[in-house]
Amino acid sequence: NAGVTQTPKFQVLKTGQSMTLQCAQDMNHNSMYWYRQDPGMGLRLIYYSASEGTTDKGEVPNGYNVSRLNKREFSLRLESAAPSQTSVYFCASSKTRTGVWNEQFFGPGTRLTVL
Amino acid sequence: AQTVTQSQPEMSVQEAETVTLSCTYDTSESDYYLFWYKQPPSRQMILVIRQEAYKQQNATENRFSVNFQKAAKSFSLKISDSQLGDAAMYFCAYRSAGGPSNAGGTSYGKLTFGQGTILTVHP
Repeated sequence: NAGVTQTPKFQVLKTGQSMTLQCAQDMNHNSMYWYRQDPGMGLRLIYYSASEGTTDKGEVPNGYNVSRLNKREFSLRLESAAPSQTSVYFCASSKTRTGVWNEQFFGPGTRLTVL
Repeated sequence: AQTVTQSQPEMSVQEAETVTLSCTYDTSESDYYLFWYKQPPSRQMILVIRQEAYKQQNATENRFSVNFQKAAKSFSLKISDSQLGDAAMYFCAYRSAGGPSNAGGTSYGKLTFGQGTILTVHP
Protein backbone atom coordinates (compact mmCIF):
# COMPACT_ATOMS: atom_id res chain seq x y z
CA ASN A 1 0.00 0.00 0.00
CA ALA A 2 1.39 3.37 -1.04
CA GLY A 3 -1.27 5.16 1.03
CA VAL A 4 -1.80 8.74 -0.17
CA THR A 5 0.55 9.97 -2.88
CA GLN A 6 0.95 13.51 -4.17
CA THR A 7 2.75 14.95 -7.18
CA PRO A 8 4.78 17.03 -7.51
CA LYS A 9 6.67 17.39 -4.21
CA PHE A 10 7.95 20.86 -5.08
CA GLN A 11 6.86 23.44 -7.63
CA VAL A 12 7.75 27.02 -8.47
CA LEU A 13 5.31 29.07 -10.53
CA LYS A 14 5.19 32.60 -11.82
CA THR A 15 2.18 34.75 -11.06
CA GLY A 16 -0.61 33.97 -13.50
CA GLN A 17 0.56 30.48 -14.41
CA SER A 18 -1.70 27.51 -13.89
CA MET A 19 -1.02 24.06 -12.56
CA THR A 20 -2.70 20.95 -11.19
CA LEU A 21 -1.68 19.13 -8.04
CA GLN A 22 -2.38 15.43 -8.24
CA CYS A 23 -3.44 13.18 -5.39
CA ALA A 24 -4.22 9.47 -5.33
CA GLN A 25 -5.04 6.97 -2.60
CA ASP A 26 -5.09 3.18 -2.72
CA MET A 27 -7.02 2.52 0.50
CA ASN A 28 -10.48 2.47 -1.07
CA HIS A 29 -11.50 5.56 0.90
CA ASN A 30 -14.67 7.42 0.06
CA SER A 31 -13.66 10.86 1.26
CA MET A 32 -10.75 13.00 0.12
CA TYR A 33 -9.55 16.43 1.20
CA TRP A 34 -7.20 19.23 0.19
CA TYR A 35 -5.61 21.39 2.89
CA ARG A 36 -3.08 24.18 2.78
CA GLN A 37 -0.57 24.85 5.54
CA ASP A 38 0.71 28.33 6.24
CA PRO A 39 2.98 29.47 9.09
CA GLY A 40 1.03 30.35 12.22
CA MET A 41 -2.27 29.17 10.75
CA GLY A 42 -2.17 25.41 10.90
CA LEU A 43 -3.87 23.46 8.12
CA ARG A 44 -6.97 24.89 6.51
CA LEU A 45 -9.43 22.99 4.35
CA ILE A 46 -9.64 24.13 0.74
CA TYR A 47 -12.06 21.60 -0.78
CA TYR A 48 -13.27 18.14 0.03
CA SER A 49 -15.03 15.30 -1.71
CA ALA A 50 -17.38 13.17 0.33
CA SER A 51 -17.62 10.55 -2.37
CA GLU A 52 -16.89 10.00 -6.02
CA GLY A 53 -18.74 12.58 -8.06
CA THR A 54 -19.22 15.15 -5.30
CA THR A 55 -17.07 18.09 -4.21
CA ASP A 56 -17.65 20.88 -1.73
CA LYS A 57 -15.93 24.05 -0.63
CA GLY A 58 -14.00 24.20 2.57
CA GLU A 59 -12.73 27.18 4.52
CA VAL A 60 -10.49 28.77 1.86
CA PRO A 61 -11.68 27.77 -1.64
CA ASN A 62 -11.09 31.01 -3.55
CA GLY A 63 -8.63 30.67 -6.41
CA TYR A 64 -8.87 26.88 -6.56
CA ASN A 65 -10.85 24.23 -8.37
CA VAL A 66 -10.98 20.50 -7.78
CA SER A 67 -11.89 17.36 -9.66
CA ARG A 68 -12.73 14.00 -8.19
CA LEU A 69 -11.66 12.00 -11.20
CA ASN A 70 -12.62 8.64 -9.73
CA LYS A 71 -12.63 7.04 -6.30
CA ARG A 72 -8.83 7.03 -6.14
CA GLU A 73 -7.92 10.46 -7.48
CA PHE A 74 -8.64 14.01 -6.35
CA SER A 75 -6.85 16.88 -8.09
CA LEU A 76 -6.46 20.54 -7.13
CA ARG A 77 -6.09 23.17 -9.82
CA LEU A 78 -4.78 26.71 -9.62
CA GLU A 79 -6.02 28.51 -12.71
CA SER A 80 -4.05 31.72 -12.23
CA ALA A 81 -1.51 31.41 -9.46
CA ALA A 82 -0.98 34.30 -7.05
CA PRO A 83 1.80 34.87 -4.48
CA SER A 84 -0.83 34.42 -1.73
CA GLN A 85 -1.11 30.79 -2.83
CA THR A 86 2.48 30.09 -1.81
CA SER A 87 1.98 27.32 0.72
CA VAL A 88 2.37 23.64 1.47
CA TYR A 89 -0.56 21.62 0.16
CA PHE A 90 -1.71 18.37 1.71
CA CYS A 91 -4.10 15.81 0.34
CA ALA A 92 -5.82 13.45 2.76
CA SER A 93 -8.34 10.63 2.61
CA SER A 94 -10.55 8.71 4.99
CA LYS A 95 -13.29 6.15 5.14
CA THR A 96 -16.76 7.46 5.82
CA ARG A 97 -18.60 5.59 8.51
CA THR A 98 -21.24 7.06 10.74
CA GLY A 99 -20.37 7.08 14.41
CA VAL A 100 -16.74 6.13 13.86
CA TRP A 101 -13.84 8.46 14.11
CA ASN A 102 -12.50 7.76 10.60
CA GLU A 103 -8.78 8.50 10.71
CA GLN A 104 -7.55 10.80 7.97
CA PHE A 105 -4.40 9.69 6.20
CA PHE A 106 -2.22 12.42 4.75
CA GLY A 107 0.02 12.58 1.72
CA PRO A 108 3.60 13.90 1.94
CA GLY A 109 2.66 17.40 0.83
CA THR A 110 3.56 19.69 -2.06
CA ARG A 111 5.58 22.83 -1.43
CA LEU A 112 4.40 25.47 -3.91
CA THR A 113 6.08 28.82 -4.38
CA VAL A 114 4.47 31.50 -6.53
CA LEU A 115 6.82 34.31 -7.59
CA ALA B 1 -18.14 27.13 13.26
CA GLN B 2 -15.61 25.39 15.42
CA THR B 3 -12.27 26.96 16.29
CA VAL B 4 -9.12 25.44 17.74
CA THR B 5 -6.48 27.51 19.50
CA GLN B 6 -2.94 26.58 20.44
CA SER B 7 -1.53 29.45 22.44
CA GLN B 8 2.06 28.18 22.63
CA PRO B 9 3.90 28.81 19.35
CA GLU B 10 7.02 27.14 20.73
CA MET B 11 7.89 24.86 23.63
CA SER B 12 11.10 23.18 24.70
CA VAL B 13 11.94 20.27 26.97
CA GLN B 14 15.01 18.41 28.16
CA GLU B 15 15.40 14.85 27.02
CA ALA B 16 13.74 12.38 29.46
CA GLU B 17 11.57 15.08 31.02
CA THR B 18 7.85 15.78 30.64
CA VAL B 19 6.20 18.53 28.63
CA THR B 20 2.57 19.55 28.20
CA LEU B 21 1.18 21.21 25.07
CA SER B 22 -2.04 23.19 25.41
CA CYS B 23 -5.08 23.30 23.18
CA THR B 24 -8.48 24.90 23.60
CA TYR B 25 -11.43 24.73 21.28
CA ASP B 26 -14.82 26.25 20.83
CA THR B 27 -17.88 24.33 19.69
CA SER B 28 -21.59 24.14 20.31
CA GLU B 29 -21.65 20.42 19.57
CA SER B 30 -21.79 17.78 22.28
CA ASP B 31 -20.27 14.92 20.34
CA TYR B 32 -16.95 15.24 18.55
CA TYR B 33 -13.43 13.91 18.29
CA LEU B 34 -10.17 15.57 19.19
CA PHE B 35 -6.77 14.68 17.82
CA TRP B 36 -3.11 15.47 18.22
CA TYR B 37 -0.98 15.23 15.10
CA LYS B 38 2.79 15.33 14.90
CA GLN B 39 4.58 16.86 11.92
CA PRO B 40 8.34 16.19 11.87
CA PRO B 41 10.67 18.02 9.47
CA SER B 42 9.75 15.48 6.79
CA ARG B 43 6.30 17.23 6.70
CA GLN B 44 4.46 13.93 7.09
CA MET B 45 1.36 14.26 9.29
CA ILE B 46 1.31 11.52 11.91
CA LEU B 47 -1.64 10.85 14.20
CA VAL B 48 -0.40 10.71 17.80
CA ILE B 49 -3.56 10.27 19.84
CA ARG B 50 -7.32 10.77 19.67
CA GLN B 51 -10.10 11.38 22.17
CA GLU B 52 -13.82 10.80 21.79
CA ALA B 53 -15.78 13.54 23.54
CA TYR B 54 -18.31 11.09 24.99
CA LYS B 55 -15.56 9.24 26.84
CA GLN B 56 -14.60 10.63 30.22
CA GLN B 57 -11.43 8.60 30.43
CA ASN B 58 -8.37 10.36 29.07
CA ALA B 59 -6.69 8.64 26.13
CA THR B 60 -3.15 7.32 26.44
CA GLU B 61 -0.72 5.94 23.88
CA ASN B 62 2.54 4.83 25.41
CA ARG B 63 4.39 8.01 26.47
CA PHE B 64 1.60 10.25 25.16
CA SER B 65 -1.49 11.11 27.16
CA VAL B 66 -4.15 13.78 27.10
CA ASN B 67 -5.97 15.81 29.71
CA PHE B 68 -9.45 16.27 28.29
CA GLN B 69 -11.61 18.80 30.12
CA LYS B 70 -14.90 18.91 28.24
CA ALA B 71 -16.56 21.64 30.27
CA ALA B 72 -13.52 23.86 29.93
CA LYS B 73 -13.09 22.87 26.26
CA SER B 74 -9.47 22.07 26.89
CA PHE B 75 -7.40 19.24 25.39
CA SER B 76 -3.75 19.18 26.38
CA LEU B 77 -1.08 16.68 25.33
CA LYS B 78 1.46 15.37 27.82
CA ILE B 79 4.64 13.79 26.54
CA SER B 80 6.51 11.82 29.18
CA ASP B 81 10.16 10.75 29.03
CA SER B 82 10.72 13.04 26.05
CA GLN B 83 12.98 11.75 23.29
CA LEU B 84 14.93 13.54 20.59
CA GLY B 85 12.57 12.01 18.03
CA ASP B 86 9.65 13.83 19.62
CA ALA B 87 10.94 17.12 18.23
CA ALA B 88 8.34 18.29 15.72
CA MET B 89 5.41 20.61 15.12
CA TYR B 90 2.31 19.40 16.98
CA PHE B 91 -1.21 20.20 15.86
CA CYS B 92 -4.42 19.88 17.80
CA ALA B 93 -7.46 19.13 15.62
CA TYR B 94 -11.23 18.88 15.99
CA ARG B 95 -13.72 16.81 14.05
CA SER B 96 -17.45 16.72 14.43
CA ALA B 97 -18.85 13.29 15.22
CA GLY B 98 -21.93 13.98 13.17
CA GLY B 99 -20.76 11.46 10.63
CA PRO B 100 -21.48 11.68 6.93
CA SER B 101 -24.03 14.26 6.07
CA ASN B 102 -25.57 15.18 2.80
CA ALA B 103 -23.23 16.59 0.21
CA GLY B 104 -22.49 20.13 1.26
CA GLY B 105 -22.81 19.37 4.94
CA THR B 106 -20.36 21.34 6.99
CA SER B 107 -19.36 18.48 9.24
CA TYR B 108 -18.38 15.98 6.60
CA GLY B 109 -15.33 14.45 8.24
CA LYS B 110 -13.27 17.58 7.88
CA LEU B 111 -10.67 18.50 10.47
CA THR B 112 -10.25 21.93 12.02
CA PHE B 113 -6.66 22.51 13.10
CA GLY B 114 -4.98 24.75 15.61
CA GLN B 115 -2.02 26.92 14.71
CA GLY B 116 0.57 24.41 15.84
CA THR B 117 3.27 24.27 18.53
CA ILE B 118 6.92 23.69 17.67
CA LEU B 119 8.49 21.35 20.21
CA THR B 120 12.25 21.36 20.67
CA VAL B 121 13.90 18.57 22.65
CA HIS B 122 17.32 19.36 24.16
CA PRO B 123 19.77 16.51 24.75
